[in-house]
Amino acid sequence: NAGVTQTPKFQVLKTGQSMTLQCAQDMNHEYMSWYRQDPGMGLRLIHYSVGAGITDQGEVPNGYNVSRSTTEDFPLRLLSAAPSQTSVYFCASINLRSSGANVLTFGAGSRLTVL
Amino acid sequence: EDKVVQSPLSLVVHEGDTVTLNCSYEVTNFRSLLWYKQEKKAPTFLFMLTSSGIEKKSGRLSSILDKKELFSILNITATQTGDSAIYLCAVPYNEKLTFGTGTRLTIIP
Repeated sequence: NAGVTQTPKFQVLKTGQSMTLQCAQDMNHEYMSWYRQDPGMGLRLIHYSVGAGITDQGEVPNGYNVSRSTTEDFPLRLLSAAPSQTSVYFCASINLRSSGANVLTFGAGSRLTVL
Repeated sequence: EDKVVQSPLSLVVHEGDTVTLNCSYEVTNFRSLLWYKQEKKAPTFLFMLTSSGIEKKSGRLSSILDKKELFSILNITATQTGDSAIYLCAVPYNEKLTFGTGTRLTIIP
């Protein structure tokens, strides 16, 4: 049982490049989400999904796209990277049916630098 | 707008001291408050609080919620260097989890 797996762990991009951060979970969690973490800002929600085929915007969605074609995968796409997107990104999931609903299980994080 | 505010932002104490971290919130239809500890990587879950006045305890860590005054505290007694971390509180609202900015705790040996 791997939990939440994020790849890559580190990535350096040039301004204007595109890339996808991958997130997969093997716990059959309905809810998946992406956060970014910047110094002094805490964790801010980018996008989330409550099930396959359903996505919605969080607090800071601009510049990011997501899709949820399967329960297991929730990739985050940067279409045209900007230096303001330099951050640490966390994918997290929840089993909405459990008594511990709202307790997020986090991936290990992906550190992205945009030059 | 839903808000979660943590204080202090940063705290440096000596090993063996007791610390209290604060989290206040303004959230519509409050259901629960969660505490996480973040060391070098991803946050790990500590406590979930739903009822006022009932203390949750795990070893040297304890937490309590005051739903009337809209805050929670996290206490750590007899601190150790391994307690150095960022402590985050979060409050779910509908399908979103709103995090505070965190308190960075540093324990000096």
